[in-house]
Amino acid sequence: GDSVTQMEGPVTLSEEAFLTINCTYTATGYPSLFWYVQYPGEGLQLLLKATKADDKGSNKGFEATYRKETTSFHLEKGSVQVSDSAVYFCALSAPNTGGFKTIFGAGTRLFVKA
Amino acid sequence: GAVVSQHPSWVICKSGTSVKIECRSLDFQATTMFWYRQFPKQSLMLMATSNEGSKATYEQGVEKDKFLINHASLTLSTLTVTSAHPEDSSFYICSALLRSSYEQYFGPGTRLTVT
Repeated sequence: GDSVTQMEGPVTLSEEAFLTINCTYTATGYPSLFWYVQYPGEGLQLLLKATKADDKGSNKGFEATYRKETTSFHLEKGSVQVSDSAVYFCALSAPNTGGFKTIFGAGTRLFVKA
Repeated sequence: GAVVSQHPSWVICKSGTSVKIECRSLDFQATTMFWYRQFPKQSLMLMATSNEGSKATYEQGVEKDKFLINHASLTLSTLTVTSAHPEDSSFYICSALLRSSYEQYFGPGTRLTVT
């Protein structure tokens, strides 16, 4: 079945460091791919998305490119801030028999130190 | 942007009682809403898919008689945890699907503590 695998955390970085969180997926069709962010005690917020191969999603300095050949959607940011400390979830969404389904990765916790 | 609210944001109840959690799409109509459960430091586990005007579809292992879902209107879905027990304590998150983009918009979550 469809699945999402993302790198285990926690990831600890110093402020202004470069961030990469790896995400790979398996899917039978052509899913849309998403990155969500969850701040402590809150629900999920959509960070960025890509709906087809070679699309690049970007928001707030974060970027991810939909790579069909490597089935990847790695999240990157050139210079992280303390306020980026959160849990990041990679996800895919696709129509499913009888409806629609989203599958989340396990989440990667990011700590950014001042 | 699309906004989804949940009420209450947190609730404490005694074992054996029932608790209702509301999920509302504030500025769009959602024929499909989802209910998730999240344990501390873990990912979201889909509990059920709620479709307006029809019965919810539950994921394997989720007791439909314990977690009652009602999607009576295009902007409201409710989750009722019946006869709650301490092991039901968790963070419950709903989302509403915007069909035009397949994007899900998440509520802020409800923390349930059963004593």
